[in-house]
Amino acid sequence: EIVLTQSPATLSLSPGDRATLSCRASQSVSTHLAWYQQKPGQAPRLVIYDVSVRATGIPDRFSGSASGTDFTLTITSLQPEDFAVYYCQQRNVWPLTFGGGTTVEIK
Amino acid sequence: QVQLVESGGGVVQPGGSLRLSCAASGFTFSTYGMYWVRQAPGKGLEWVTFIWYDGSNKFYADSVKGRFTISRDNSKNTVFLQMDSLRPEDTALYYCAKDSRMGSGPYYFEDWGQGVVVTVSS
Repeated sequence: EIVLTQSPATLSLSPGDRATLSCRASQSVSTHLAWYQQKPGQAPRLVIYDVSVRATGIPDRFSGSASGTDFTLTITSLQPEDFAVYYCQQRNVWPLTFGGGTTVEIK
Repeated sequence: QVQLVESGGGVVQPGGSLRLSCAASGFTFSTYGMYWVRQAPGKGLEWVTFIWYDGSNKFYADSVKGRFTISRDNSKNTVFLQMDSLRPEDTALYYCAKDSRMGSGPYYFEDWGQGVVVTVSS
């Protein structure tokens, strides 16, 4: 099973700040990695797929990148609606797995 | 627009069974794979199972293999999750989700329902 380790667990930032979220895979997932956003009481929402492709309706302040088995979700200039929990997920190998999540909270 | 509506949740004793349903609309159901994903209270996301668009292949997390069964009825635009031999650790909010591309998959969880609560407790 591929383990996805997200860091930090919590990111305390102010609106307008830049957020950098990390996800490290225990083995190669190729480019088959996505990021999801989940707000309290809501279902998750697909944000980025295939490492760097923004999902429909996602603003361009969200971007994804990779270096080997290290993946990064960057949110430039945080907006109030961006404060949420973010999960990475791989589809390269069964079973499909999620990271443990990073909470982006208002400082 | 895509709509996924789960139903069938509830409280069940350990060892009991439940059948969840997910009614889909707003897309050509028979051309997309479908997932179930769960989230235990206060915890992260866990993929449970996936079924191909035509029902010919099914995949399960080890934690539910042999106890849960996914199926679909393309004539009724509905995907099901039969849960048997339930355990307290199966207590969670269960989401159904649509695959992000047509065909075999898996790809990504593009659209989600609002979830249905399953509680396993004596």
